[in-house]
Amino acid sequence: SQQGEEDPQALSIQEGENATMNCSYKTSINNLQWYRQNSGRGLVHLILIRSNEREKHSGRLRVTLDTSKKSSSLLITASRAADTASYFCATEHTGTASKLTFGTGTRLQVTL
Amino acid sequence: DAGVIQSPRHEVTEMGQEVTLRCKPISGHNSLFWYRQTMMRGLELLIYFNNNVPIDDSGMPEDRFSAKMPNASFSTLKIQPSEPRDSAVYFCASRKGSAGETQYFGPGTRLLVL
Repeated sequence: SQQGEEDPQALSIQEGENATMNCSYKTSINNLQWYRQNSGRGLVHLILIRSNEREKHSGRLRVTLDTSKKSSSLLITASRAADTASYFCATEHTGTASKLTFGTGTRLQVTL
Repeated sequence: DAGVIQSPRHEVTEMGQEVTLRCKPISGHNSLFWYRQTMMRGLELLIYFNNNVPIDDSGMPEDRFSAKMPNASFSTLKIQPSEPRDSAVYFCASRKGSAGETQYFGPGTRLLVL
């Protein structure tokens, strides 16, 4: 299976702290994307990083990609209660153009 | 922009009944994807269309599932007959352009088959 694995499965932090989530995958990719899902809602796209990129920023989000280790991380700085959600990485693998394979997700809880 | 629209938002039906889920993609998007999300299996791609043509249906579980896209603004996912194990949240997503672009997800249809 090409499905990515995310680590940790669950993360609980206090507001203001940073949250780091990791994603590993098995085969080469064209790009990797991170999505957020609030409970009972659809997925919202956060950021896309291409295979030739190593780091991208978007507001309080920072994504890194290490293709040699087949892994990515998502860092949320200065977390807020509103960041409470599940976060998924999704990979578009080489030779499977258009198809996204989603990871298992990390459930983030940010408490006041 | 209204985003991806799915209907119904919730569906409760009895085993053996036919279920039809509907999706309206974002105007101007030429790719459409159907996903299923369960606790056990996570988020799985069922089928995707490009310019209304099914490109890959390898994720469709079995012959009970079928999907159509008669035009650029409408798609259906049908389950006939439905079974309890089909209970899940079904998402539709659309994308503009080709691979490497963002997919935009609808709010999902929560299906419960009794």
